[in-house]
Amino acid sequence: QKEVEQDPGPLSVPEGAIVSLNCTYSNSAFQYFMWYRQYSRKGPELLMYTYSSGNKEDGRFTAQVDKSSKYISLFIRDSQPSDSATYLCAMGDMEYGNKLVFGAGTILRVKS
Amino acid sequence: NAGVMQNPRHLVRRRGQEARLRCSPMKGHSHVYWYRQLPEEGLKFMVYLQKENIIDESGMPKERFSAEFPKEGPSILRIQQVVRGDSAAYFCASSPRGSSNQPQHFGDGTRLSIL
Repeated sequence: QKEVEQDPGPLSVPEGAIVSLNCTYSNSAFQYFMWYRQYSRKGPELLMYTYSSGNKEDGRFTAQVDKSSKYISLFIRDSQPSDSATYLCAMGDMEYGNKLVFGAGTILRVKS
Repeated sequence: NAGVMQNPRHLVRRRGQEARLRCSPMKGHSHVYWYRQLPEEGLKFMVYLQKENIIDESGMPKERFSAEFPKEGPSILRIQQVVRGDSAAYFCASSPRGSSNQPQHFGDGTRLSIL
C-alpha cells in the first residue's frame, strides 16, 4: 500500500464546474498538507498549504483536511481551461524530517 | 518557477557517462531538496541539504548518486555511470528554513535522458 493514494484520472469537467480532488494517506503522523499544480514540462507550483485538520480558502481554491479519516481534498470553484494541469497532494511531518511524500497526481482537464 | 533555478533543463547522456544537475535556490533560502519524478509517478524524495551539509540522504540510491551544496555556488546532484533507469525528471526545491512547516518551492526541473 502506498503511503499516499491519489486517483490519477484524468478528470474531465466543463468550464465553470466545481472540481473535487482527493488524497488518502496511511500515516497518522502527517501534520502538514499541501497541494501543488504542475503544468506539462514545468515544476510543481504551490497552491495551498494547511496544518492539521480544517479548511483553508484562497480565491477559487479551498483545501480541506480530515485527519480522523486520513483524507484531504482540494476544491476548485468556477473551473477554467487554464486550470487544466496535474494536481499533486503532498504531506509531511517533523517525524519525517523535511521530506515531503507526494501522491502520484490527478490529471484535470477543463473543457471550454 | 518560484525563483528556484535549475540547469540544464534537458540533459542527454549515454550509458556510462556522468550527469551533473545544478540548482540555485530562491533568494534567502538556504535549504535545498532534490526529488525524482518517474513517468506517471509522484515525486520521490532523494536528499536534503543545507550549505556544506547533507542533512538527510535517505532517498538516495546507495551507489552512483551524490549531492552537495557548497558554501558558494549552486547545489549539485551528480550521477555517475548513468544507466537507462536513471532517465527521469529531477526537481530541486528550496525553503528558508529546514522545517516541515516551511513550504517547499520547486524549480522547473532537469529532464535527464539516457541513450
